[in-house]
Amino acid sequence: NAGVTQTPKFRILKIGQSMTLQCAQDMNHNYMYWYRQDPGMGLKLIYYSVGAGITDKGEVPNGYNVSRSTTEDFPLRLELAAPSQTSVYFCASSHRDREPPNYGYTFGSGTRLTVV
Amino acid sequence: GEDVEQSLFLSVREGDSSVINCTYTDSSSTYLYWYKQEPGAGLQLLTYIFSNMDMKQDQRLTVLLNKKDKHLSLRIADTQTGDSAIYFCAESMHGGSQGNLIFGKGTKLSVKP
Repeated sequence: NAGVTQTPKFRILKIGQSMTLQCAQDMNHNYMYWYRQDPGMGLKLIYYSVGAGITDKGEVPNGYNVSRSTTEDFPLRLELAAPSQTSVYFCASSHRDREPPNYGYTFGSGTRLTVV
Repeated sequence: GEDVEQSLFLSVREGDSSVINCTYTDSSSTYLYWYKQEPGAGLQLLTYIFSNMDMKQDQRLTVLLNKKDKHLSLRIADTQTGDSAIYFCAESMHGGSQGNLIFGKGTKLSVKP
């Protein structure tokens, strides 16, 4: 099925470890996004990309890095994991127009990360 | 600045109507959206409304927009236990350089049988 695929679904990291959260979409969307969701805090934008080779910081980029070498993939890298990065991470994508009929975002099912 | 506000919790009985409210601050928002998040899942787009509309109805869902007060609401008629979820209001700006939606914190709807 077409959509946004995130891996892994769950991960436990020790403080100081690094990992990459994978995100892939097969809808040929130009825009891709990484959000983190903390209880009662809604969604905070970490990084976004408007196309291959172009990335930019969102609201909470510290401690994270991204790359966008292809249209399909937008991995999120945590270099030195900290307890404050315990969260649920969502990747999303959208069409360039971002308006109906190509409206809204398509979200992945999320990665639940715990840093201990 | 951009900000979207929602109450955090709403509890209703099965069969009643639910009304989830949202206020936004950016008067240039072109589209406003409602997303639904079921437990353990990502967000799914429920419906949207264009800023030049006052109301949009889609089966059990009614969206009302008051541009003057920057107030958006989502009414769910005949609420069912399957409607229990977190509902997010979001706004977008036409041609916004960031291209991202601004989300509220989400309203957790609990439906009691």
